[in-house]
Amino acid sequence: NAGVTQTPKFQVLKTGQSMTLQCAQDMNHEYMSWYRQDPGMGLRLIHYSVGAGITDQGEVPNGYNVSRSTTEDFPLRLLSAAPSQTSVYFCATRGYGNQPQHFGDGTRLSIL
Amino acid sequence: TQLLEQSPQFLSIQEGENLTVYCNSSSVFSSLQWYRQEPGEGPVLLVTVVTGGEVKKLKRLTFQFGDARKDSSLHITAAQPGDTGLYLCAGERGDDKIIFGKGTRLHILP
Repeated sequence: NAGVTQTPKFQVLKTGQSMTLQCAQDMNHEYMSWYRQDPGMGLRLIHYSVGAGITDQGEVPNGYNVSRSTTEDFPLRLLSAAPSQTSVYFCATRGYGNQPQHFGDGTRLSIL
Repeated sequence: TQLLEQSPQFLSIQEGENLTVYCNSSSVFSSLQWYRQEPGEGPVLLVTVVTGGEVKKLKRLTFQFGDARKDSSLHITAAQPGDTGLYLCAGERGDDKIIFGKGTRLHILP
């Protein structure tokens, strides 16, 4: 079982470049979320989706876009990367109700 | 603004000692979750508490949800080196979003 798959695992970008972090799940979960994790800050919610076609902002959405065209995929786009976006990014999924949240292994992103 | 305050941020204790980690908020949550995260991996769910006053046990770990559903605690009895890791609490808000505290980095010395 793949669960939650994040690609790439590592990426280095230059300031101003754009890129898309991929998240795919095979558990048919309705909820999908993107978090970033920085030292001493825990995980902060970037964007969130409760189902295909529905997205919402989290705690730190600026500089990031998302879309949810299918249940399985929830890509996170950086339109113009900034050094402040250097972080570890985690995608998470869960079903309706008090279902456990499952995390991918993360994407480690460095912006030079 | 961090809606969930977790304390302590760092804790280093000897094997065999007991410890408690706290997660506090001024907001009410529909549920509260505790995760453990190892280096280079995503967080893994330990437990979810839903009802005010609820207590759940997982071997030597005891989790409690406050009566008002605004706070929670994690108590570890007779800590072992294998308990070393980052412990995160997370609350589910009324809009279904799950937000995290900053985490407690626990180090158990043999």
